[in-house]
Amino acid sequence: EAGVTQSPTHLIKTRGQQATLRCSPISGHTSVYWYQQALGLGLQFLLWYDEGEERNRGNFPPRFSGRQFPNYSSELNVNALELEDSALYLCASRSGTGVNQPQHFGDGTRLSIL
Amino acid sequence: AQKITQTQPGMFVQEKEAVTLDCTYDTSDPSYGLFWYKQPSSGEMIFLIYQGSYDQQNATEGRYSLNFQKARKSANLVISASQLGDSAMYFCAMREGDDMRFGAGTRLTVKP
Repeated sequence: EAGVTQSPTHLIKTRGQQATLRCSPISGHTSVYWYQQALGLGLQFLLWYDEGEERNRGNFPPRFSGRQFPNYSSELNVNALELEDSALYLCASRSGTGVNQPQHFGDGTRLSIL
Repeated sequence: AQKITQTQPGMFVQEKEAVTLDCTYDTSDPSYGLFWYKQPSSGEMIFLIYQGSYDQQNATEGRYSLNFQKARKSANLVISASQLGDSAMYFCAMREGDDMRFGAGTRLTVKP
């Protein structure tokens, strides 16, 4: 069974540009989560999608947005990139709604803003 | 208020010895799940072990075990017989309903 896949692995942008990150969940998983992890820090929750709808978002400005497609894959879009957006962006998927279901993570996209 | 607290920013352990990574949590929900993840320097988050709030026994997965003390609201990870490959960041997480929170992490270094 394929795990969560993210693309691209690395992304280099300059200030003011826009970035699009992609995530494919494990087959059968309908929930997708996005996290930002700045260098040496913990995970900051960004967005949660389930069944094509945004269910919750973290404390991030509106220039962080995304969507989930009918096949449950997801995109994270970051507009008007700033230097502090440089981070590892992790996508996770989950099956079911019980508290015992772990999130399974992809390998992440390293976004660097020059 | 912080829901998940990992008080050890860094830990060192000698190869082949056991190490305990601390995690305390705060919740009033009787139903919750506790998780530990490992993050090597390459960045991927690897799910290690799960403990449910109603589970009577401590969870074990190979060399990983979870010391669950419900009354103290702690869920410490014990790694036995440490290996060099165990050097990584370790994150404790708690799920209440659809909300999942992560601790700040503990960096474990295994010394040869």
